[in-house]
Amino acid sequence: EVHLVESGGGLVQSGGSLRLSCAASGFNFGAYWMAWVRQAPGKGLEWVANIKEDGSEREYVDPVKGRFTISRDNAKNSLYLQMNSLRADDTAVYHCASLWARSGDHWGQGTLVTVSS
Amino acid sequence: DIQMTQSPSSVSASVGDRVTITCRASQVISKWLAWYQQKPGTAPKLLIYEMSTLQSGVPSRFSGSGSGTDFTLTISSLQPEDFATYYCQQADSFPYTFGQGTKLEIK
Repeated sequence: EVHLVESGGGLVQSGGSLRLSCAASGFNFGAYWMAWVRQAPGKGLEWVANIKEDGSEREYVDPVKGRFTISRDNAKNSLYLQMNSLRADDTAVYHCASLWARSGDHWGQGTLVTVSS
Repeated sequence: DIQMTQSPSSVSASVGDRVTITCRASQVISKWLAWYQQKPGTAPKLLIYEMSTLQSGVPSRFSGSGSGTDFTLTISSLQPEDFATYYCQQADSFPYTFGQGTKLEIK
């Protein structure tokens, strides 16, 4: 059974940093594109970043470019999101997801990031 | 960026009803359209990908169709567990974008 478990969220001041982790199990992690998707409280979904199976390609949504870095360690079956220069509008639940046909076929339950101003 | 517009934003229906949710893209997106279901406090669940392919384990009462810029999710006979929020998502070009969601409520 596929499991994705996020960690690393919490309360941080505006301008601060956090590193999110996603531990994957139950599937061949290194064979899948992975993504981070966020959801602000009471709002809709926003795709944040993608990373190719081997980490050679990365894509970011404009609001996080230059501030967030997606990475992965296939030996550890882990996905990461380094978030710097955090702003209040980054407050959200952050989900990791495995991608199939460019869609999120498995999702973690998410980790809450709260940025205080 | 490709904008995705869902309609309606909310709908009330009864168990057994047929419900259709529409998603319109701001430009042609070929087949790269997915539908998700989300219940409060849980992660989204993939229902349909590539516009009309049913994800494994999803009941056959869910179906997707469309072309070009206009797409629909149809639930043929609502069940109690189907009351949730539904999102479309385009994957034709990055950044992938979602519709604003359609909340399906019990009448």
